[in-house]
Amino acid sequence: ETGVTQTPRHLVMGMTNKKSLKCEQHLGHNAMYWYKQSAKKPLELMFVYSLEERVENNSVPSRFSPECPNSSHLFLHLHTLQPEDSALYLCASSQGGSGSLFFGPGTRLTVL
Amino acid sequence: DQQVKQNSPSLSVQEGRISILNCDYTNSMFDYFLWYKKYPAEGPTFLISISSIKDKNEDGRFTVFLNKSAKHLSLHIVPSQPGDSAVYFCAASGSASNFGNEKLTFGTGTRLTIIP
Repeated sequence: ETGVTQTPRHLVMGMTNKKSLKCEQHLGHNAMYWYKQSAKKPLELMFVYSLEERVENNSVPSRFSPECPNSSHLFLHLHTLQPEDSALYLCASSQGGSGSLFFGPGTRLTVL
Repeated sequence: DQQVKQNSPSLSVQEGRISILNCDYTNSMFDYFLWYKKYPAEGPTFLISISSIKDKNEDGRFTVFLNKSAKHLSLHIVPSQPGDSAVYFCAASGSASNFGNEKLTFGTGTRLTIIP
């Protein structure tokens, strides 16, 4: 595997389900990110982890819970989501100071 | 309030012609600008960037122009090819970015379609 991978690629869940999104980067980067892309909206930064420490949480509801066990892996735990949370969730990584992000292919989430 | 705006949601250009994608920003603290390209079912990929100390950066068929006084940047693709059909996102970053923390603000994207 190369680059940034995400699983699953598609996920349909009910509002009472608990699920997790997984991201893995194979680039040796030291920062990882979760972004949300909703229709006709800009990519919204949700969480940033730098050197496995959370450094940014852009007022994301607590039903989204990130976890970064090491510099290569990032999870987004989902619990009691709402239909408006349906979106494309993108993971990204970067090497500090490089100025550019490397994105995974995203998980298309649908909340029923 | 969107700090990075791409006012054209879509653009169609004939193959071989020049494609010009535009982006405006409002935050004068932004000093680094990037363009990302996104194909369906894939994540965005970095295309080209420009620092505020420059007004032009060129990479092959892609050139980014920055007009700081107008808070405007544009991406020129020439000649346009069918493989350029994608959604293009403009992004901006301020010098407050910390090590390992790329705080990018994105636009909503422009869907470019190259007509053969």
